[in-house]
Amino acid sequence: DTAVSQTPKYLVTQMGNDKSIKCEQNLGHDTMYWYKQDSKKFLKIMFSYNNKELIINETVPNRFSPKSPDKAHLNLHINSLELGDSAVYFCASSQVGGVGTNEQYFGPGTRLTVT
Amino acid sequence: GENVEQHPSTLSVQEGDSAVIKCTYSDSASNYFPWYKQELGKRPQLIIDIRSNVGEKKDQRIAVTLNKTAKHFSLHITETQPEDSAVYFCAASFSGGYNKLIFGAGTRLAVHP
Repeated sequence: DTAVSQTPKYLVTQMGNDKSIKCEQNLGHDTMYWYKQDSKKFLKIMFSYNNKELIINETVPNRFSPKSPDKAHLNLHINSLELGDSAVYFCASSQVGGVGTNEQYFGPGTRLTVT
Repeated sequence: GENVEQHPSTLSVQEGDSAVIKCTYSDSASNYFPWYKQELGKRPQLIIDIRSNVGEKKDQRIAVTLNKTAKHFSLHITETQPEDSAVYFCAASFSGGYNKLIFGAGTRLAVHP
């Protein structure tokens, strides 16, 4: 059973297009995250949702819009893709409330290439 | 601001040697410090973590130490093996709750047989 899954694994698209990445976790966690890992491997938090509520919103262009239909799912929609959006996008989840350990579990990543 | 500095950026050791990676953080309110290992093309995976009420934690060949006063924490790997080769990331939680982690820039560890 995959704890945190993402689709698609690879995404190749042209500049100006709009694309979405989906994430699902079956760990029963209350918090989910999107990270961007650039070509230099730097991992940076983008967004976080706690029980479907947006709680972390870093300095990210408003072309990026997260959506959480329920606490097990977190999607990322990107409008008007640019070359600089090329990166690996990781979804993660953790249990923050109650007796959570705070450990963040990462999904396998989505490698986005914008040409 | 929110910052985690990690050194060195690359580390090359012979099999069986020890490896040490060091991080410093900026927020004195940080209370959770995980270390992640990322193999090529794979997801980051937690290998060990420490909380601010503990000074040291060990798990087999891996140990982490925390100096809250100096805002330093370190990862120690003993008896390194080729399969330890990977990129290692430190992270620190930042105030505001909800487990916001700021990651260091990573250390690429190469263990040579």
